[in-house]
Amino acid sequence: AQKVTQAQTEISVVEKEDVTLDCVYETRDTTYYLFWYKQPPSGELVFLIRRNSFDEQNEISGRYSWNFQKSTSSFNFTITASQVVDSAVYFCALSDRNSGGYQKVTFGTGTKLQVIP
Amino acid sequence: DAGVIQSPRHEVTEMGQEVTLRCKPISGHNSLFWYRQTMMRGLELLIYFNNNVPIDDSGMPEDRFSAKMPNASFSTLKIQPSEPRDSAVYFCASSLGEGQARILYQAQHFGDGTRLSIL
Repeated sequence: AQKVTQAQTEISVVEKEDVTLDCVYETRDTTYYLFWYKQPPSGELVFLIRRNSFDEQNEISGRYSWNFQKSTSSFNFTITASQVVDSAVYFCALSDRNSGGYQKVTFGTGTKLQVIP
Repeated sequence: DAGVIQSPRHEVTEMGQEVTLRCKPISGHNSLFWYRQTMMRGLELLIYFNNNVPIDDSGMPEDRFSAKMPNASFSTLKIQPSEPRDSAVYFCASSLGEGQARILYQAQHFGDGTRLSIL
């Protein structure tokens, strides 16, 4: 069955520290997509990145970077030089097909990041 | 450009009442999704549409829940009758898909959500 595990429930860092949010997934599908979304205190969900299962290149976008490793079924997210505005709940999500061939999306339980000034 | 617009932002009603949540997707997007977020169950996909047609409603919890998309710019999620356990934040999202086989592979753009409280 599809599963997304974000083992870190809450993380607190001091501003300017680097922080890595972990995401481990389970799927039997060979074609799947992974996502990260940010949910700031205001409540909306903001798309950050999408990565497909055939593209293991790491990606960097400003202070954000993502490390995708199929060998360990992980898609970790690192924020460099964290800022107070990074405080939010971050969700990792997996989109694949279940045993019946139907598309499914599974969200992790989220990691709440607090950046302390 | 306007994002996904949901209304109302907050709804408080008594159990047994009918609740209707509304969503206007991003113009040009051809897929629309309804999610529910609770502390206990996290984010759950309830139903999604492609080109106004419901594709998968297996996430809808009970027959008390129904969703419609009469046109490309409007969708509703209805709960009748409502119960206290339906209290949650309900999100609508939309995306521009590459085909029905890849709907859930696309990045989704979420509305601000409707916070529903059933007393």
